Parts: sequence; C-alpha cells; structure tokens
Amino acid sequence: TQLLKQSPQFLSIQEGENLTVYCNSSSVFSSLQWYRQEPGEGPVLLVTVVTGGEVKKLKRLTFQFGDARKDSSLHITAAQPGDTGLYLCAGAGGATNKLIFGTGTLLAVQP
Amino acid sequence: EPEVTQTPSHQVTQMGQEVILRCVPISNHLYFYWYRQILGQKVEFLVSFYNNEISEKSEIFDDQFSVERPDGSNFTLKIRSTKLEDSAMYFCASSLTRSYNEQFFGPGTRLTVL
Repeated sequence: TQLLKQSPQFLSIQEGENLTVYCNSSSVFSSLQWYRQEPGEGPVLLVTVVTGGEVKKLKRLTFQFGDARKDSSLHITAAQPGDTGLYLCAGAGGATNKLIFGTGTLLAVQP
Repeated sequence: EPEVTQTPSHQVTQMGQEVILRCVPISNHLYFYWYRQILGQKVEFLVSFYNNEISEKSEIFDDQFSVERPDGSNFTLKIRSTKLEDSAMYFCASSLTRSYNEQFFGPGTRLTVL
C-alpha cells in the first residue's frame, strides 16, 4: 500500500517567517503534486513535479522532488497570512496514475 | 481559466436513497476521477474513467457505486442505496493526459446521509 506522510501536521508561525513542509513515502511515484485546500472547498493545484531532484518555484514557494522520487518538500519564504491553509501532497501511481494523498499540513500564519 | 464544476454543492438524502452527483470536467481533458473526503480525513481515490470505461477503482467503489459519461460534457457518480458512512465531500477531477497527470479538482459536493 502506498502511503504519504506529511510533517509537521500543524504549523503556526508569524508573518515573515520561513517554513518547510515535508512529504515522505517508501514508495516511488511517477509524479507528485502539491495542492492547497480551503475548508469546504476542493484542492487547488499548486505544482506538479515529475523528475527526481526537480525544483520548481512559484513566487515565494519552492517545491523539490527527491532524487529517488519518494519524497518532496515545500518551502515558503516570508510567509503571509494569505498562505494560511491546508497543504496536501499527492503522489501519482497505479495503472491510471490515481492520486494518493498525504495526511496534510495545516498552516496558520499570524499577522 | 477553464475549471471543473460540480452540482449540487450540497445534497442531503435519507439512508437507502439513490443520489447522483454531477461533474463537468475541463472540456479537452480525457481522464476523469472521483475522490471522496470524509470529514477530518484524507482525500481518497474512488475511481478513474477513460474512453468511456472504468480504468481503475478502489475497494471503496463497490457495487453500490457507478459512474457514467452520458454525453460529451457530464461525468456522474451514482450511489444506489446510500449509507450513513457515505456522508463525505465528493470531488471530481480531470486531467489531460495520464503520464503527466496534472489533476484539476472541482469544488466538491457535500453529501449528507441521514
């Protein structure tokens, strides 16, 4: 069974601080996606990483896919209150690349 | 910007009743998915659909569930006889290709079974 574990589970920080969220598995994924989800809404795609070692940047967010394609990290620089939300990683696998979702990291950025 | 839409946003039903959840995927996408999220839990895969047939389904997707693409735009999930434990948010997603697999999610339907 493919599992994705995210850490930390909860994170409360002050505006302007930096943070890193980790997504780890013992399984290899063909691609890995990061989503952000607001309460009562659907996950919104932030980025897809495909190649081992790949790094992608989206403004203040930096995403990295592990060399072995088993883990990933999300780094946020100078967090803003608007970054508050649930961050989900999701690995693609199986015959149709169904997504296996991680356990989620709930981020609260205090002004 | 194209997006996945879902209706209704909230459905309340009695146990044992049939419900149909509707989705309109992004128009040029070819792969369609249903996921569900029980309150406070992870998003779980239910089923994937391509070329008018089910490609893969999870253990959750038993005989009570079915999917259909009745026309060129809609993608539906039917639950034949709802149970209390079917109460969840149901998300539809679509992707253009299988290999790159960027899946875009709809806003969800909150299903409450009483």
